[in-house]
Amino acid sequence: QKEVEQDPGPLSVPEGAIVSLNCTYSNSAFQYFMWYRQYSRKGPELLMYTYSSGNKEDGRFTAQVDKSSKYISLFIRDSQPSDSATYLCAMRTGGSNYKLTFGKGTLLTVNP
Amino acid sequence: NAGVTQTPKFRILKIGQSMTLQCAQDMNHNYMYWYRQDPGMGLKLIYYSVGAGITDKGEVPNGYNVSRSTTEDFPLRLELAAPSQTSVYFCASTNAGLANYEQYFGPGTRLTVT
Repeated sequence: QKEVEQDPGPLSVPEGAIVSLNCTYSNSAFQYFMWYRQYSRKGPELLMYTYSSGNKEDGRFTAQVDKSSKYISLFIRDSQPSDSATYLCAMRTGGSNYKLTFGKGTLLTVNP
Repeated sequence: NAGVTQTPKFRILKIGQSMTLQCAQDMNHNYMYWYRQDPGMGLKLIYYSVGAGITDKGEVPNGYNVSRSTTEDFPLRLELAAPSQTSVYFCASTNAGLANYEQYFGPGTRLTVT
């Protein structure tokens, strides 16, 4: 079983839709959970960051972490064509090297 | 500041050739990382460094070498290039002082080995 599983999609939605992106993981030592957004032919950029379980909201984006189920989600409300990108979940333990383990990424296309 | 810069942007190598991918950051970050990204496969950690003079292997280090003589620079060396090393390579950096320990990524180097 891979440490981090993420459905690679692709996912295609109409503008204005609610998008749900998910990752599961197997390593119970993961404590920090992130979502990175990567536009085509660019480097990833941090979108959301959550420590331990709970929800975090930032504008149209909500990140959820359920450590008991080893499941994290990213919700995008009122999706826009500019949200079209690959979304990568990432997580790390509390170790001092700050190494990240990434999911495969989900390619999202929001159609006008 | 420029953030994380990588050179070259693109490169085509013949099998058996060698090259160095350059990475530099001007944010005074202690931690630097090299990843490779294959289509649909996410990011795999090749090597990382927690400070000048200190490097360690990641998940997929075979066929690569690194050095870290300064805080700013973290070059990745490919010896005897093989087609399996065709990929997009990203360098990233972070610091323990950052609130989210966010890794800042460079724009990537697209490498083809034929």
